[in-house]
Order: sequence, then structure tokens, then C-alpha cells
Amino acid sequence: QVQLQQWGAGLLKPSETLSLTCAVYGGSFSAYFWTWIRQPPGKGLEYIGEINHLGSTTYNPSLRSRVTISVDTPKNQFSLRLTSVTAADTAVYYCAANLVGADWSAHDYWGQGHLVTVSS
Amino acid sequence: QAGLTQPPSVSKGLRQTATLTCSGNSNNVGRLGAAWLQQHQGRPPKLLSYRNNNRPSGISERLSTSRSGNTASLTITGLQPEDEADYYCSAWDYSLSAWVFGGGTKLTVL
Repeated sequence: QVQLQQWGAGLLKPSETLSLTCAVYGGSFSAYFWTWIRQPPGKGLEYIGEINHLGSTTYNPSLRSRVTISVDTPKNQFSLRLTSVTAADTAVYYCAANLVGADWSAHDYWGQGHLVTVSS
Repeated sequence: QAGLTQPPSVSKGLRQTATLTCSGNSNNVGRLGAAWLQQHQGRPPKLLSYRNNNRPSGISERLSTSRSGNTASLTITGLQPEDEADYYCSAWDYSLSAWVFGGGTKLTVL
């Protein structure tokens, strides 16, 4: 059973950089894609990007210019950086996991979510 | 902006059957199907069904999923108060090389 625990700053000013980290407990760190997904207040889910244990990344094309996802495999952690934030980046940010190598896979495991508010 | 299309809301009575739909295209739902997630207010989403229509361990047999062409469906029978939630579909989009989500359907159990 995989458990995800996430943390990071909750209040940012416009133009600052969002930084979140997610720690993985249980399961095999190499067996999953480690994903960031966000949800603006009252709205739906948006894929930000994902990384595997080797550091190979995929990003949402609409966010690619501002996003970096990195991994620390020895610590079983992965992180999100989003630069030049605006109010539109205010959202609950989730870390999640989906199985590598399975066409049928989906996001089995989710972190508890972390509200990030961007306000001057 | 959602990549998949879901009706914003569905209302059904207690113990009735609700069917939620999710429309995509041949690059996402039509290729390998859609997964379904349930989200209660203030909670993270919970996976209800994989893209091959199999349920994760512990998910009620009252839930079933299917796909016809580019449209996926989630059917919940014998609706209970705890089924009242937001439901999202998701799929990998092979043209975008990214996961896409539906805008969500709010299911109300009357």
C-alpha cells in the first residue's frame, strides 16, 4: 500500500515560485509514475506533470514553460516547482501515483492535498 | 479547460440507478478507455475504476464502467446517500502526451 505525504508553502505572492514536495511510503518507488495534479477552488482536476524514478518527465503542454518536476530516489521523494505564479495558480495541489508499464493504469494513490494561495 | 466532456450534474433518487458519461476522442477515451474517480467535498479523489473497467480492491460492486467508441460510462446501482459526490473521468491523451480529465459531474442523491 502506497501512502503519499506532501508539504510546502501555502501562501505566495504573484511572480514567486511555488515549491512542493511529496514523500512516498510503502510500495516500490520504481513501479510508479509520480504525478502532480491541481484543482482550483470549486473547479475540476488539471494534470501538471509526472516523473519516474529515473527522472524522466512529462508535462502538461500548457504549463511546460513554468514547471519542473524532480525526483530524489534515495529519499523516495519527488518535488514540484512552478515559477512566476499568478492568482490563476491558486489551487489545491495533489501528488498522485499511477503504475508504470500498464496501459490500463490510473491514479491509484493520492496525497492529502495542499492548498496554495497566490495573493498580493 | 477540461479535455473530456462530462455533464455538470445528475440527480437521482435513493436506490435508483445513475449513469454518468464521459466523452473524449480517438486519442484518449477511444484509444484505451477512461478511469473514474470519486471526490467528496474537501477530500482527495479516490479511484473507482481503471481504464480497462476493472475496479480496485474494496470498490463496491454497485459500480460498473463501460466504453462505447469515444464515450465512457459509469453506472451506479442502488444509490445510497454516500454516493453523493463529484465524479471525474481521466484518460491518457496520446496526441498531447498528457493526462486529461473531465470537468466533473456532481451526483445528487435525492
